[in-house]
Amino acid sequence: GAGVSQTPSNKVTEKGKYVELRCDPISGHTALYWYRQSLGQGPEFLIYFQGTGAADDSGLPNDRFFAVRPEGSVSTLKIQRTERGDSAVYLCASGTGDSPLHFGNGTRLTVT
Amino acid sequence: DQQVKQNSPSLSVQEGRISILNCDYTNSMFDYFLWYKKYPAEGPTFLISISSIKDKNEDGRFTVFLNKSAKHLSLHIVPSQPGDSAVYFCAARGSNYKLTFGKGTLLTVNP
Repeated sequence: GAGVSQTPSNKVTEKGKYVELRCDPISGHTALYWYRQSLGQGPEFLIYFQGTGAADDSGLPNDRFFAVRPEGSVSTLKIQRTERGDSAVYLCASGTGDSPLHFGNGTRLTVT
Repeated sequence: DQQVKQNSPSLSVQEGRISILNCDYTNSMFDYFLWYKKYPAEGPTFLISISSIKDKNEDGRFTVFLNKSAKHLSLHIVPSQPGDSAVYFCAARGSNYKLTFGKGTLLTVNP
């Protein structure tokens, strides 16, 4: 079937607003990761889910960032009180077992 | 501190010639290394990988070499084709299957 789907593909928001970014992983993939890619950088790890629980959230930059995966499939990355420095491409990836991660096309977030 | 480094931001080669992309890492606990390819406005796509217990893995035109003592890996593409033009990311796998990426190398293959 389909690959990892991320919506929206682009999001423009004003500084201080709240945003939600959605990720639909590949069906059956138990592991889900969020990464952030800033201009000129490689993707940087934010958070990892195994099933419904966040197994590792050590990459979240501060408490304005939060992510959920309530049913072990779709995940939502939530950013409160957005700042201009949050502007980046947010990538979601899913995987299972030892297989390489499959990435979505990302959500380009622009905070004005 | 950057645990995975790709020191060449860009590389330009002629079609048909060999492309060699390099990557260095610092964390000896990484157990798997991967190369991803990225086109503009798309997510990274897995290309090839190598376990830390191997020193070479080949898949068609793509070969990855790992030198553990030097903490260095390289991706060879031969022959290079214009469709190979993209950004290539080196990634290393650590705990929780978490990937640490380099900054990427923009490969341009000229016809």
